[in-house]
Amino acid sequence: NAGVTQTPKFQVLKTGQSMTLQCAQDMNHEYMSWYRQDPGMGLRLIHYSVGAGITDQGEVPNGYNVSRSTTEDFPLRLLSAAPSQTSVYFCASSWTGENTEAFFGQGTRLTVV
Amino acid sequence: AQSVTQLDSQVPVFEEAPVELRCNYSSSVSVYLFWYVQYPNQGLQLLLKYLSGSTLVKGINGFEAEFNKSQTSFHLRKPSVHISDTAEYFCAVSKGNTGKLIFGQGTTLQVKP
Repeated sequence: NAGVTQTPKFQVLKTGQSMTLQCAQDMNHEYMSWYRQDPGMGLRLIHYSVGAGITDQGEVPNGYNVSRSTTEDFPLRLLSAAPSQTSVYFCASSWTGENTEAFFGQGTRLTVV
Repeated sequence: AQSVTQLDSQVPVFEEAPVELRCNYSSSVSVYLFWYVQYPNQGLQLLLKYLSGSTLVKGINGFEAEFNKSQTSFHLRKPSVHISDTAEYFCAVSKGNTGKLIFGQGTTLQVKP
């Protein structure tokens, strides 16, 4: 069972570069989210989606874009990387929106220099 | 607004000793509460969840948590820890029917031999 798959696992970017973090799930979950994890701050929500074609902003959306053209995929785009975006990024999916377990990918460790 | 506070950033404990990781939440509506564990260089996995019913919930690896509505707490406990329990633990509350989670800052459990 693949679950939630994130690629790449590690990435180094130069300031100003753009890139896309990939997230795919094979559980037919409607709900998907992107979080960033920074020391002492827990996980903070960047963007989320409640179904294909529907996305919305979370707590820290600036500098990131998302789209959801299929149920399976939820890519996160960094438009112009900044050192403040150095973080570990996690994608998650769940069957329902409120009272079921969220499944997480293994994370992408991004460094912006 | 909903929020989650984990009262200890680090908890050192000797092997086979009991441990409690504290979590308080604020919410004006009914909540669904979760504890997740993150082992080094891995994603998050669910330890246990409270949705409704019995206030004492049991999870994987011998962990349990007690929901206390009057004190707005959801503390995690284990009667006897192992070296393998060394990890970061996150308390979280779901926010509406959107798949979004609000996380606490995390508690690092360090089990010493």
